[in-house]
Amino acid sequence: GQQLNQSPQSMFIQEGEDVSMNCTSSSIFNTWLWYKQEPGEGPVLLIALYKAGELTSNGRLTAQFGITRKDSFLNISASIPSDVGIYFCAGPPWGAAGNKLTFGGGTRVLVKP
Amino acid sequence: DGGITQSPKYLFRKEGQNVTLSCEQNLNHDAMYWYRQDPGQGLRLIYYSQIVNDFQKGDIAEGYSVSREKKESFPLTVTSAQKNPTAFYLCASIGSGGPNTEAFFGQGTRLTVV
Repeated sequence: GQQLNQSPQSMFIQEGEDVSMNCTSSSIFNTWLWYKQEPGEGPVLLIALYKAGELTSNGRLTAQFGITRKDSFLNISASIPSDVGIYFCAGPPWGAAGNKLTFGGGTRVLVKP
Repeated sequence: DGGITQSPKYLFRKEGQNVTLSCEQNLNHDAMYWYRQDPGQGLRLIYYSQIVNDFQKGDIAEGYSVSREKKESFPLTVTSAQKNPTAFYLCASIGSGGPNTEAFFGQGTRLTVV
C-alpha cells in the first residue's frame, strides 16, 4: 500500500519548547490529517488540511500542507506536559478508492526526564 | 451526542475461539473502517465499508471477517484463523460528500489472547 513516512519516530520535549514533526510520501495526497492518540484511547483529529500550501492553526498547533502535495508538517509551540502522546499523519492518496486513509507510523512525543 | 462507540473496551479470547468486536456510529456516516494497532506501531487497515451491504479487504484482512447490514453498525469478527490476534483494534467512520475525509475514531478495544 501507500507509504507515509513520519519523522522523527520519537522525540523528547521540555516544557516551553517548540517542536516539529513531518510526514512525507512518494505519492500526492488530496488531504492531510493530523491526529493525536493518548495511551489506550482512539486517535483524535487535531487539524485537517485540504489545499496545497494551506497553513492552519489550532491553539498551539500549526500544520501546513506542502506545495508539492507530498508532505506536511506539524508544529507544537510552547509545549506542555499534556502534549505527550503519539501524533499521526494521515490522508487519502490521490486516486485512492473512496475515502480510504493511509496512516503514518506516528511520532511518539515524550517528556524529558 | 453524536459519536462512534466501540465495545467492549477490553476483551479476552481463548486460543481457537472466534470473538466479535462491536462498532456503532450515529453520525450518519456512510464509510466505516477497522484498524489494528500493535504496541509502538501505526494503524493498519483490516476492512472497510463504503456503503451498507458492501465491504472491502484492507491490507491485513486474513483471519478477520466483517458485515455491514446496517449503516450504523460494522462489527468485526476475529476468527481462530488469525494467529496473532492480541492487539488494539480501532473503528472509524467518515462522512460522505464534499472534500471532507476526516475520520472519527472510537475508543478502541484491546483484545488479548489467554
